[in-house]
Order: sequence, then structure tokens, then C-alpha cells
Amino acid sequence: GENVEQHPSTLSVQEGDSAVIKCTYSDSASNYFPWYKQELGKGPQLIIDIRSNVGEKKDQRIAVTLNKTAKHFSLHITETQPEDSAVYFCAGGGDMRFGAGTRLTVKP
Amino acid sequence: EAQVTQNPRYLITVTGKKLTVTCSQNMNHEYMSWYRQDPGLGLRQIYYSMNVEVTDKGDVPEGYKVSRKEKRNFPLILESPSPNQTSLYFCASSLRGPYGYTFGSGTRLTVV
Repeated sequence: GENVEQHPSTLSVQEGDSAVIKCTYSDSASNYFPWYKQELGKGPQLIIDIRSNVGEKKDQRIAVTLNKTAKHFSLHITETQPEDSAVYFCAGGGDMRFGAGTRLTVKP
Repeated sequence: EAQVTQNPRYLITVTGKKLTVTCSQNMNHEYMSWYRQDPGLGLRQIYYSMNVEVTDKGDVPEGYKVSRKEKRNFPLILESPSPNQTSLYFCASSLRGPYGYTFGSGTRLTVV
């Protein structure tokens, strides 16, 4: 089955800096790669996704890039704010396996 | 408001006492799924349902049952809970297939 590896497991940045979280996958047939944000005490919420026919997608301060050859995709958050602090999950594969999560802390 | 509703939010039970966690969605989604979340392991799929009366095992189905008699409801049943089923459980739904989930708020289950 699909393996999705996510790193780093924790990330701390200063407000205004950029944050990057990376995921790798093993199934070359994977064609959909979502990112979810989980705030404390809540369920994960879809924040951005990308399909395999696209290399990059942006939505305001967040962007996702996909490198199909290397089988990795990344979440980029620019101009981070304290409200970006949360746990972020990537997912991929036909059976939608999730990465282990990255706890992002944005320090004011 | 479009949402996935899980109940209860918190549950403490004893080993072997059957329990059901309910999940309901109001978006007319075909696909529904149950996940458990454990520290360092991310979200692991327990069971999923492609549509009414169609269910299948995910990665960690042992000790769980599900049913999908109506499109909106997808209850998770633990016939004989054990302490290793202590976890945070999430129900999720999507229009078709595991793409772009809407998640519920979670059920924190403790089995003593």
C-alpha cells in the first residue's frame, strides 16, 4: 500500500517568516494530494489540494508544490501569523493515507 | 450549515462494554469514513463506505464494525472495546471518494 512520510514533525518559526512542510509518497499512481490543518480540539480541515496534472497551486498565503518525478509535495506558508499555529497533515495515494503530522508553532 | 456531526465528543467506558459512536452528515455525500488518530501515527483509516450498503475495511479494522443503512449516517460500533482502542476518532465525508474530506469534531474515547 501507499506510504506517506511527512517531515518535520515539529516546526517553530517567527511571525512573518515562511514555513515549509514536506511529504513523500511511494505510489506513483497517486494523483491527488491534500493538506489539512487541525487546530486544537477540532477536526482536520482541508486547506489546499493539488492534482497530479498541476505542479503548483496557490491560495493567498499558502501554496502547494508537487514533484511527481521525485514523488514529493510540499506545503508553503508565507508571512506566517500566530493563527497559523496548528498541526498540519498531508495525504496521498488511492486509499488516502495520511502523514504523521507537523506541529507548527508561530511565535509572535 | 454543512457539517459532519459526531456523538459523543467524549466517552469513558470499561473493557468489553459495547458502544456506538454516531456520525451524520447533511451534505448528501456518498463517501464516508472513520479514522483514528494516535500520537506520532497520524490518521489511520478504520472503515469506509462508498455508498449505502457498501462498506470496506481500511488499514486498522480489527475490533470495529460499521453499517451504512442510510446515506447520511455511518455509525462506528465497538462490540467489545479494549484499552488499545483508546484513541481520538474522526468521522469524515466527501462527495465521491476520499477527496476533499469534511471531518467531524472528533470523539475522544477512553477504555479502562
